[in-house]
Amino acid sequence: ETGVTQTPRHLVMGMTNKKSLKCEQHLGHNAMYWYKQSAKKPLELMFVYSLEERVENNSVPSRFSPECPNSSHLFLHLHTLQPEDSALYLCASSQDTRSPLHFGNGTRLTVT
Amino acid sequence: DAKTTQPPSMDCAEGRAANLPCNHSTISGNEYVYWYRQIHSQGPQYIIHGLKNNETNEMASLIITEDRKSSTLILPHATLRDTAVYYCIVRVNGDYKLSFGAGTTVTVRA
Repeated sequence: ETGVTQTPRHLVMGMTNKKSLKCEQHLGHNAMYWYKQSAKKPLELMFVYSLEERVENNSVPSRFSPECPNSSHLFLHLHTLQPEDSALYLCASSQDTRSPLHFGNGTRLTVT
Repeated sequence: DAKTTQPPSMDCAEGRAANLPCNHSTISGNEYVYWYRQIHSQGPQYIIHGLKNNETNEMASLIITEDRKSSTLILPHATLRDTAVYYCIVRVNGDYKLSFGAGTTVTVRA
């Protein structure tokens, strides 16, 4: 149990589908993050929320839409994705934006 | 952020100490050295971090050279479960950005 739970663990979706990834942290942290890990590539930071406000949007295409309704939950809404968006999507949280990050085990997304 | 250089891979014997090197020759005075690892099919796991003093916790020790241009992560008694990709990262104090490189793939052999 990492303290950061991501659901689903695996997701297969077509390019015309709409789906959402969910992340919940049980650590009382105030910052939450979305990272993308493609095959053979380093982790890429996508979005950062601090106290439920977005502080980073790292040139991510609009087909990825984050939502942070409270400090414990983070969503990534997906629509009209491309096959190259297939990757492991990792959520993380930290006490604040200076503290170490704690990661979930990710959602393995396959776009067909 | 300063870049880091790590060997792409290394093997370790089970029960022995594993010493993982990292070069960060352009590190600034306000940048911390962080270590994470990622076991297959899991998210990265925080190990340890430091600024200039050596640090130790229940997982590992971090040795930073006096000039701060390099560091070594020491796993005192490697087990098969320590097989993972290990990432050395420098991070500006107060900055939320944590930039991962390719890391070192460590394989612990029985």
